[in-house]
Amino acid sequence: SQTIHQWPATLVQPVGSPLSLECTVEGTSNPNLYWYRQAAGRGLQLLFYSVGIGQISSEVPQNLSASRPQDRQFILSSKKLLLSDSGFYLCACPGALDGYTFGSGTRLTVV
Amino acid sequence: GENVEQHPSTLSVQEGDSAVIKCTYSDSASNYFPWYKQELGKRPQLIIDIRSNVGEKKDQRIAVTLNKTAKHFSLHITETQPEDSAVYFCAASWRIKAAGNKLTFGGGTRVLVKP
Repeated sequence: SQTIHQWPATLVQPVGSPLSLECTVEGTSNPNLYWYRQAAGRGLQLLFYSVGIGQISSEVPQNLSASRPQDRQFILSSKKLLLSDSGFYLCACPGALDGYTFGSGTRLTVV
Repeated sequence: GENVEQHPSTLSVQEGDSAVIKCTYSDSASNYFPWYKQELGKRPQLIIDIRSNVGEKKDQRIAVTLNKTAKHFSLHITETQPEDSAVYFCAASWRIKAAGNKLTFGGGTRVLVKP
């Protein structure tokens, strides 16, 4: 079965600083990968998805970008963080059935 | 694209009572409807799902119903226990194949089970 690794688990960054969150997947090959953001007390918003190496689709305009340098690696980045970028970031891939398997998430606080 | 509405946003029930969460979706092509449970500070976990060719599915104290005509589906938790307290998310997707799902989530329901 798939395992998703995300790091770091928590991150506190000042406004204007860069960001790099990493997600790696084990137990599957050529998976679709997804980045979701969850603001405090809110739902899950799809930010990016990737169907393969170098292929990124953006769902909402924002201050963030994503890259897929390797089959099982998905990276979320920003050049300059905003306060509104704070949230819980979750990486996901299709699970053994039809649902998603989520990573453990990164809680980002921009101060 | 798909739009999923979820109600209520918060739900408080007495231990032992039932809890019902309702969702509606907009895209009639959606054919897969999972439900996730998220405990505080943790990742969402799939608890049950239903496909569009099924009207109802049950797993112990949890059941889901789907009305394709009305485009709504519901989660029912019976005999609630304090450990059922969490945020629950519904979702909808158009399943082409497992790798092609793109889930759209509802806004979530915070369930509190009072002992």
